[in-house]
Amino acid sequence: DAGITQSPRHKVTETGTPVTLRCHQTENHRYMYWYRQDPGHGLRLIHYSYGVKDTDKGEVSDGYSVSRSKTEDFLLTLESATSSQTSVYFCATLAGRERNQPQHFGDGTRLSIL
Amino acid sequence: KNEVEQSPQNLTAQEGEFITINCSYSVGISALHWLQQHPGGGIVSLFMLSSGKKKHGRLIATINIQEKHSSLHITASHPRDSAVYICAVLGGGADGLTFGKGTHLIIQP
Repeated sequence: DAGITQSPRHKVTETGTPVTLRCHQTENHRYMYWYRQDPGHGLRLIHYSYGVKDTDKGEVSDGYSVSRSKTEDFLLTLESATSSQTSVYFCATLAGRERNQPQHFGDGTRLSIL
Repeated sequence: KNEVEQSPQNLTAQEGEFITINCSYSVGISALHWLQQHPGGGIVSLFMLSSGKKKHGRLIATINIQEKHSSLHITASHPRDSAVYICAVLGGGADGLTFGKGTHLIIQP
C-alpha cells in the first residue's frame, strides 16, 4: 500500500541490545509515523516526521529515537531494548494534511525482546 | 489529548445481518478514519471523512461533527468481513492519528 516497506518483518532479540527498524516509502509522502500496537491499548504514536530532519515525539516516545535523513526513509531505533518494547510496530505515511488524504500503513514489524 | 471510544469492543453476528460500529471522540478534529485489520495482517484504510457520509460497496461511514460521533455500517455482512475495525482521528497539528481500541467483529456463516 502506497509503496511502504518495513524491515525487518520479524525480529527476536535480547534485552539491552540496540534495534533499528526501517520504513521505506516510494510515494514521496511528506509525513511519516511510527506506531506501536499492543493488546488493550490499540495503536499509539511513538514519533513522527513532517519533513527531512524534522521529527517530533508522540505519545509513547520514551526509549525510542528516530531519524529521517531522506524523504523515503524513516528509522526507529531502540537504543537498549527492554521487554516492554515487545510489540508490533507499524509505519505509516501521509501525503499532506488536507482532509481528503488517507493515511497509508506498512505491513508491520513484529518485535520480541527476550 | 483526544479520547477516542469505540463500541462495541466485540461483536458476533450471523451472516447477512446489518452491522453498526460506533466511535466517539472528545476534541474537534480535521478528519476521521475507519481502518480494517485482519488477524495477523496489515492495516487498510476504509474511509476518511470530515463531514457527512461515504459509501463503498456494502460499507457506509457517517460522521456528525457537532456530536463528535461517527458510525461504520456493514450491510449484508459476510464471514470475510470478520476483522478488527479501528476508528482513528486526525487533529489539526502535524502529529499522527489517535486511535480507538478497535472493534473485533466475527461474522458466522
